[in-house]
Amino acid sequence: DSGVTQTPKHLITATGQRVTLRCSPRSGDLSVYWYQQSLDQGLQFLIQYYNGEERAKGNILERFSAQQFPDLHSELNLSSLELGDSALYFCASSAGPGDTEAFFGQGTRLTVV
Amino acid sequence: QKEVEQDPGPLSVPEGAIVSLNCTYSNSAFQYFMWYRQYSRKGPELLMYTYSSGNKEDGRFTAQVDKSSKYISLFIRDSQPSDSATYLCAMSASGSARQLTFGSGTQLTVLP
Repeated sequence: DSGVTQTPKHLITATGQRVTLRCSPRSGDLSVYWYQQSLDQGLQFLIQYYNGEERAKGNILERFSAQQFPDLHSELNLSSLELGDSALYFCASSAGPGDTEAFFGQGTRLTVV
Repeated sequence: QKEVEQDPGPLSVPEGAIVSLNCTYSNSAFQYFMWYRQYSRKGPELLMYTYSSGNKEDGRFTAQVDKSSKYISLFIRDSQPSDSATYLCAMSASGSARQLTFGSGTQLTVLP
């Protein structure tokens, strides 16, 4: 167990809808990363927050947004969902903003129908 | 062409075999090279981490980096059924987890 908790584990929703994925980092970690893993694109970095502030952006669509709250948990919001957004979404955490090793949660499997 | 290429397999070997997993890359700025292991329905976990060229050994696992050929390898000796997982190579120029470029993963099955 990595210590990173993601909810829900599975999510099925219709196209056009909006969903929120939640992540609680390991105790003491200030950085939270969001990744998307799909069959055709592999594992891709979406966005990083460090101590409540956005630190880096990767291949994140404009329909997606994230935030990190004062208690350090993070939420990834996905809106106007399309079939192609179906994927595994992972949250990872690390202590600092530039750490090499990040600890991954078990992921949220999103299915858009 | 992807920056990091990895044979997706699947790769099936008998218990006790030596396994060789490989990735090639095109970005010469990559300095940090990692191997992640991902069990089914789990998140990736960092297995090995190497900076620049050379070898690194950790128990039954050896990571090799050849920057001149832009080629990295992971060797697993005396493979066990518990090694059955998807192995992802990852690399970055800065070493930061946010800037990792991942390979597509190789699915390995070790048969008892």
